Amino acid sequence: QKEVEQDPGPLSVPEGAIVSLNCTYSNSAFQYFMWYRQYSRKGPELLMYTYSSGNKEDGRFTAQVDKSSKYISLFIRDSQPSDSATYLCAMGGSDSNYQLIWGAGTKLIIKP
Amino acid sequence: NAGVTQTPKFQVLKTGQSMTLQCAQDMNHNSMYWYRQDPGMGLRLIYYSASEGTTDKGEVPNGYNVSRLNKREFSLRLESAAPSQTSVYFCASSEYGYEQYFGPGTRLTVT
Repeated sequence: QKEVEQDPGPLSVPEGAIVSLNCTYSNSAFQYFMWYRQYSRKGPELLMYTYSSGNKEDGRFTAQVDKSSKYISLFIRDSQPSDSATYLCAMGGSDSNYQLIWGAGTKLIIKP
Repeated sequence: NAGVTQTPKFQVLKTGQSMTLQCAQDMNHNSMYWYRQDPGMGLRLIYYSASEGTTDKGEVPNGYNVSRLNKREFSLRLESAAPSQTSVYFCASSEYGYEQYFGPGTRLTVT
């Protein structure tokens, strides 16, 4: 079993829909929960992250962590075609070398 | 600011050839990383450098070597390329934390 599991998709939704992207993990030591967005043939870019539990909101994006279930989510409201990309979750513990463990990524397609 | 730059963008090698992938960052970050990305596998860490003068193995270091030339530059060398090293290679950097900034990648094909 991988430490971080993420459904590869693709997930196809109509423009304007609310999107839910999810990851599960097995290592209870993880404290940092990151979401990266990767457009086709580009490098990943950091979208947002949370530390420990709780929610964090940034514009149309909300990141949620449920440590009791070892489950994290990224919600996108009012989805746009420009949100079409692969979304990668990544997690880190408290080690000093800041290594991240990555999910395989979910490909999201927003249909106009 | 250019951020993280990588050269070359594309490369085709024959089995057994060697090459060096170059990475530079202009954000004065302490830590730098080399990843490979394969379909369905996500990003896998090859080597990292927590600070200038130090390097450590990641998840998949076999067949690779690295050099942290100075604070800005971190290179990845394939001494004898194999078809299993066909991948997209990303360099990343970070200050103290998990916020990593990525370069545009190098697409490598080994025939």
